[in-house]
Amino acid sequence: QQQVKQSPQSLIVQKGGISIINCAYENTAFDYFPWYQQFPGKGPALLIAIRPDVSEKKEGRFTISFNKSAKQFSLHIMDSQPGDSATYFCAAKDETSGSRLTFGEGTQLTVNP
Amino acid sequence: EPEVTQTPSHQVTQMGQEVILRCVPISNHLYFYWYRQILGQKVEFLVSFYNNEISEKSEIFDDQFSVERPDGSNFTLKIRSTKLEDSAMYFCASSKDRGTYEQYFGPGTRLTVT
Repeated sequence: QQQVKQSPQSLIVQKGGISIINCAYENTAFDYFPWYQQFPGKGPALLIAIRPDVSEKKEGRFTISFNKSAKQFSLHIMDSQPGDSATYFCAAKDETSGSRLTFGEGTQLTVNP
Repeated sequence: EPEVTQTPSHQVTQMGQEVILRCVPISNHLYFYWYRQILGQKVEFLVSFYNNEISEKSEIFDDQFSVERPDGSNFTLKIRSTKLEDSAMYFCASSKDRGTYEQYFGPGTRLTVT
């Protein structure tokens, strides 16, 4: 119930392409969905986040699409660059259980030049 | 830009020893967290801390773990008797207040238990 399922586990994209990472959840009490970017040896960095009252949020090349009825959300990286190569984690917060974040398994993105 | 800092970056300890991991959250933040990430796995919540007390903890956070805010700037995680399976990256995070959901993570401490 508390899990967030993330796919794919790894993704290889050519420079300039679109990277798409998907997450699915079961817990309808989740009310906040952030995406984090993590480079090797570094901590997760907050990239973009969405709440369930909107279906899409865009910040620069990064867009979150949110489908409340399907309980799915995805991260789209437009015009992917080699510098975007990192591990991406989706996460969710349950409004009934404090402020803990439940993370997905992570997607290792490689953008080839 | 303010950031969460953590020390040390790498800690090696022997099984059974006590370790203290230190964090300095962002200065005007009121909520503090510890998460851990076993190599190659997802990030897992350990504990959240507000107003000098634990507000939530996970099943991982057993009696071997404790947290403390010893002064106005530091936030610590103590593991009393380390086990091999405690080897992981430990991340501290902070958020501004209860109504602000954004959590900002530090660079982590790699704990290696031998």
